[in-house]
Amino acid sequence: SQTIHQWPATLVQPVGSPLSLECTVEGTSNPNLYWYRQAAGRGLQLLFYSVGIGQISSEVPQNLSASRPQDRQFILSSKKLLLSDSGFYLCAWSGLHNEQFFGPGTRLTVL
Amino acid sequence: AQKVTQAQTEISVVEKEDVTLDCVYETRDTTYYLFWYKQPPSGELVFLIRRNSFDEQNEISGRYSWNFQKSTSSFNFTITASQVVDSAVYFCALRSIIQGAQKLVFGQGTRLTINP
Repeated sequence: SQTIHQWPATLVQPVGSPLSLECTVEGTSNPNLYWYRQAAGRGLQLLFYSVGIGQISSEVPQNLSASRPQDRQFILSSKKLLLSDSGFYLCAWSGLHNEQFFGPGTRLTVL
Repeated sequence: AQKVTQAQTEISVVEKEDVTLDCVYETRDTTYYLFWYKQPPSGELVFLIRRNSFDEQNEISGRYSWNFQKSTSSFNFTITASQVVDSAVYFCALRSIIQGAQKLVFGQGTRLTINP
């Protein structure tokens, strides 16, 4: 069966510090991968998606970047965090029947 | 444009009441997929159901049921005999294919609180 992992679960970082969030998927090959952000009490905003290794599409201009160094690994990064980067970050992969399955999320607080 | 509207921001009911969460969508696609997700306080989104546009049969899964009406572009979700554990934020979503990639367009979510 397929599983998706994210870490860390929570993170508190100062403004201006770098960021690296990791997502890995097990039990499937060549999945479409997604990064979402959810601000407190808000809906989900798609940040990046990837249809294959090294293929990244950005949905909105922002302070973040994404990379996919391996088939089942998706990384979200920033060189310098902003206060507005605080939120709940979710990674997802899309299955055979179009549904997306989400990881447990990372709660990021930028102080 | 693809759009999902969940007009109910918050709903609060007493345990054992039935509750319906509304979802209205807009799409120009002739074939499309709709989804419901549950987000409990832990934060992880849990997939509940997928429905494709050419299957209008309503579905029941235990206390959960879904009413898909193409004529009104709605995909409503009913919880029968609600329980405290049903408290969560529920999201309706529509699949779109943009630039060859599948994407989900989410509604803003409905926060459901079941009071004991």
